[in-house]
Amino acid sequence: SAVISQKPSRDICQRGTSLTIQCQVDSQVTMMFWYRQQPGQSLTLIATANQGSEATYESGFVIDKFPISRPNLTFSTLTVSNMSPEDSSIYLCSVDGLSGRDTDTQYFGPGTRLTVL
Amino acid sequence: GENVEQHPSTLSVQEGDSAVIKCTYSDSASNYFPWYKQELGKGPQLIIDIRSNVGEKKDQRIAVTLNKTAKHFSLHITETQPEDSAVYFCAPFHSGTYKYIFGTGTRLKVLA
Repeated sequence: SAVISQKPSRDICQRGTSLTIQCQVDSQVTMMFWYRQQPGQSLTLIATANQGSEATYESGFVIDKFPISRPNLTFSTLTVSNMSPEDSSIYLCSVDGLSGRDTDTQYFGPGTRLTVL
Repeated sequence: GENVEQHPSTLSVQEGDSAVIKCTYSDSASNYFPWYKQELGKGPQLIIDIRSNVGEKKDQRIAVTLNKTAKHFSLHITETQPEDSAVYFCAPFHSGTYKYIFGTGTRLKVLA
């Protein structure tokens, strides 16, 4: 499996501010995804981060609120903009399509726990 | 869209007993069926998976069975240990849309 790191691991932010979360993978991957997991809930896909082009967002998520960058095959960022307490969640980066390995097998980072006051 | 449900939502077993979690999905085009374990404060970890061309797969104390006709697959854990306590998620995958849809989750508690 890949080694996936996220920064920060947790943060407490004031409403109205923005936070950028970084995801770094130790090998090149085809696909990178961002998920949200609200307290005690399952995972919901926010968007697919496409290398060299705009991210593909799921229903209910928009680029203005969750801008995503993916400058290369090992790195992506998710920004949570103009935060409100409802954005308090764990944000997870995941990857699949590891070089030389099965596709369709998805691996997750440790998550970023965000609390908005 | 795809509807994915897990049962039970919580499960308590005595150490050494077996645990079974069932995942029911609605999209018949799903063709890859993983199970993830999420411990407190961590990201989900893949523990076992199965593809649509087989009915069962086993890895030591963990097994997964698939019934494509009935559209469900199950996680079986034998000889449970306290470290098996976690939340388990199924996430059937549809290669056409390239999406995983996560189930509702099952909180397993293994009592020592």
